[in-house]
Amino acid sequence: DGGITQSPKYLFRKEGQNVTLSCEQNLNHDAMYWYRQDPGQGLRLIYYSQIVNDFQKGDIAEGYSVSREKKESFPLTVTSAQKNPTAFYLCASSIYHSYNEQFFGPGTRLTVL
Amino acid sequence: QQQVKQSPQSLIVQKGGISIINCAYENTAFDYFPWYQQFPGKGPALLIAIRPDVSEKKEGRFTISFNKSAKQFSLHIMDSQPGDSATYFCAASMLKTRGSTLGRLYFGRGTQLTVWP
Repeated sequence: DGGITQSPKYLFRKEGQNVTLSCEQNLNHDAMYWYRQDPGQGLRLIYYSQIVNDFQKGDIAEGYSVSREKKESFPLTVTSAQKNPTAFYLCASSIYHSYNEQFFGPGTRLTVL
Repeated sequence: QQQVKQSPQSLIVQKGGISIINCAYENTAFDYFPWYQQFPGKGPALLIAIRPDVSEKKEGRFTISFNKSAKQFSLHIMDSQPGDSATYFCAASMLKTRGSTLGRLYFGRGTQLTVWP
């Protein structure tokens, strides 16, 4: 089955700890994205990547970092510098040259204790 | 600055009724307008999308109406069912042009639809 997987589904961390969220896709898509979702805020773009070894900041990149070493993988690290990290994180991918139809993973809910 | 403004924030409709969600944008360079549907605890999924060369697109009970001059578009759900209860997001994007990078999606803040049986 082709799709996007995110792991883990639920994640708990203590304040001051970095944590990495996994995102893998087997759709052979060039572009990948990370969004943060908070109630009433919609989907806010954190980082995106069009090709391997290249990525750009989105609207709320502060306190986050990413890497794109493989086409199918785009992990997101939530660092201790992120002031309010508790949220639902969504990964998505799209075909680079399309009208940007994005396919989303099931999400990871991060809770900072 | 919110590139796409969506209303209402929440909507309650009786089974069999029509649900209407509205979105507005300012950037005339946008040329792709999708709607996403999200169930609790899941990722959003593309529901229907329209390009500005048409004023309406229908897929089953779901219709997008597009008004280019007013820079508005809306989602109509006919014969709303309890299974339609979800959060709906409108979005807008522009085709990658020379010198630009990714045709990223700009999302509205979402509408939580509840359909009562």
